[in-house]
Amino acid sequence: SQTIHQWPATLVQPVGSPLSLECTVEGTSNPNLYWYRQAAGRGLQLLFYSVGIGQISSEVPQNLSASRPQDRQFILSSKKLLLSDSGFYLCAWSHRTAGYTFGSGTRLTVV
Amino acid sequence: GESVGLHLPTLSVQEGDNSIINCAYSNSASDYFIWYKQESGKGPQFIIDIRSNMDKRQGQRVTVLLNKTVKHLSLQIAATQPGDSAVYFCAENTNDYKLSFGAGTTVTVRA
Repeated sequence: SQTIHQWPATLVQPVGSPLSLECTVEGTSNPNLYWYRQAAGRGLQLLFYSVGIGQISSEVPQNLSASRPQDRQFILSSKKLLLSDSGFYLCAWSHRTAGYTFGSGTRLTVV
Repeated sequence: GESVGLHLPTLSVQEGDNSIINCAYSNSASDYFIWYKQESGKGPQFIIDIRSNMDKRQGQRVTVLLNKTVKHLSLQIAATQPGDSAVYFCAENTNDYKLSFGAGTTVTVRA
C-alpha cells in the first residue's frame, strides 16, 4: 500500500533562517506531488506541484521554492523565512484524475 | 476555487442528527469531486468521491449528492457523532494534475 511521510511534525524557526521540509512517498511510482499551506482557520493554498523529477510548477510567487530530486521525494525550501511563512504545510500525492492523499503536515512557526 | 484569505463557515449540529454540508464548485468541465475531512492538527482525509456521470453516491453514514445543473455538491452525514467534528472540504478536479478546494466548513457536534 502507498504511504506518505512528512517531517518534521512541528518546527519553530527564527526570522531569516533557512527552511527545508521533506516529503517522501512509498508504494507508488511517478506520482504527482504537491505542497499546500494552510493558515489558521483558513482553507488550502496550493504552493507547488510536480508531475515528474525536476519538474516544478509554482502557483503563488513567494519566499518559498520546491525541488524534486527523486521520483518520490519532494522538498519545500526557503533561504530566509518571514513571519508570514508561518502555517501548516501539507504534502500530498496523487495519480492523474484521482484524489490526493495527504501527509500529516508540518506546523511551522516563524518567530 | 481556493479559499485563501477566507474564514471558514461553520455548522453546529446536535449529536444524532443528520448533517448537510454544501459546496458550490466553479468549473462546469470538472468531472471528479471529492470530500475531505480534516481534524485539528492533521492532514485532510478522503471521505467519499463522485464522478460527474453520477448524481448520488453512498458510503458508510455518508452520502454525496452532485447537481451539475447548478454546480452544487453536498455531503450528508447520518446520525452525526462527536468524532465527526472537523473541517470538511470539497474538491473538484479541474485538470489532470490539480484539485481545486472549496473554502471548507467547520462542523461542531453538540452532545
